Amino acid sequence: DGGITQSPKYLFRKEGQNVTLSCEQNLNHDAMYWYRQDPGQGLRLIYYSQIVNDFQKGDIAEGYSVSREKKESFPLTVTSAQKNPTAFYLCASTPDRGRAVAFGSGTRLTVV
Amino acid sequence: DAKTTQPPSMDCAEGRAANLPCNHSTISGNEYVYWYRQIHSQGPQYIIHGLKNNETNEMASLIITEDRKSSTLILPHATLRDTAVYYCIVRTPAQDDKIIFGKGTRLHILP
Repeated sequence: DGGITQSPKYLFRKEGQNVTLSCEQNLNHDAMYWYRQDPGQGLRLIYYSQIVNDFQKGDIAEGYSVSREKKESFPLTVTSAQKNPTAFYLCASTPDRGRAVAFGSGTRLTVV
Repeated sequence: DAKTTQPPSMDCAEGRAANLPCNHSTISGNEYVYWYRQIHSQGPQYIIHGLKNNETNEMASLIITEDRKSSTLILPHATLRDTAVYYCIVRTPAQDDKIIFGKGTRLHILP
């Protein structure tokens, strides 16, 4: 089945450690996105990529980094510079501009 | 910032129609209105979208006002499984498609 796979579903890390969240899609979508969601809040855009080897900062990019070396993959690294990394992270993709967005099932990151 | 405004929460009795409003007064001519919903701790699910005509699919209907400054998502016969946060967004098939979500409307279906 085609879809977006985020792994792992739950992730625990110690404060000060970098951690990379995986996002893989087999939908042949060009554009991919990372969002952060805090309890009771909406989705905030971290980074997005319209094409391989290119990406742009969203509204809350500080403390995060991404890469887009392959069309299928858009990993997100939460660095130690991110002051409050505990959150629910969602990856999304869309085939081209203006089409409906597909979402992964999310990764819940807890930093202790 | 999100280009849409939605009420933070709404209640609807089970079996009745749920009408969720969205204000997008600054929408431009080539921007589409999209609706998604998110059930607790899952990824958002696409529901419907439209440009200026009313749209209907197996999940819902979308009514867009003639001036396109607001829209209403209608769930015709709400069930308990429709309890979720509903997001209305506007998007344009432009070069820089950031896809910004607001806080959405938390819909409670009452038994």
